[in-house]
Amino acid sequence: KNQVEQSPQSLIILEGKNCTLQCNYTVSPFSNLRWYKQDTGRGPVSLTIMTFSENTKSNGRYTATLDADTKQSSLHITASQLSDSASYICVVRRDNTDKLIFGTGTRLQVFP
Amino acid sequence: EAGVAQSPRYKIIEKRQSVAFWCNPISGHATLYWYQQILGQGPKLLIQFQNNGVVDDSQLPKDRFSAERLKGVDSTLKIQPAKLEDSAVYLCASSSSTGLAALQFLFFGEGSRLTVL
Repeated sequence: KNQVEQSPQSLIILEGKNCTLQCNYTVSPFSNLRWYKQDTGRGPVSLTIMTFSENTKSNGRYTATLDADTKQSSLHITASQLSDSASYICVVRRDNTDKLIFGTGTRLQVFP
Repeated sequence: EAGVAQSPRYKIIEKRQSVAFWCNPISGHATLYWYQQILGQGPKLLIQFQNNGVVDDSQLPKDRFSAERLKGVDSTLKIQPAKLEDSAVYLCASSSSTGLAALQFLFFGEGSRLTVL
């Protein structure tokens, strides 16, 4: 069954600290994986898109990794800021289809 | 560049009433999606349009949900009659590409939050 699971479900950290969010998927065949940030009451905004051949991709303080062999991805946030408080959703696309499979997200709260 | 516009942002109705949501995609975007996002869950695709044609509506509860994109630009999603379990955020997304390439660059609107009492 094609699924995307994220952990932890929620996370609280202090401003300035680093954190890592996990995404495991069973989607096959795999096309690409993307991370979205969704602020409360807003629509999701794309952070990164990673294809099979990419292991690491950075976008400012956000660094995503992908291990296509173990079907795992992580999103690392460095030097967190209050504005990082949001839900982070991992989305996987099946190869040769136009279907996106969404994870349930990790809710991150950054406190001062 | 203006983003995907949705209205209303919030709507509260009683069960069995009807509601309509409107979406205006980014100018020139051929592909338009409606997603349902229940609290604590990821978005679930309801329907996908390419121009004014339906590409995928396999997960749309057609007994109560309907959507149209008559002129290939803006779109309307209607629920009639609403049930308690329809309480969710309804997200509209658009892409300038078509087919498989459409998913490469997907832009979401702010969503319309529906509460059914």
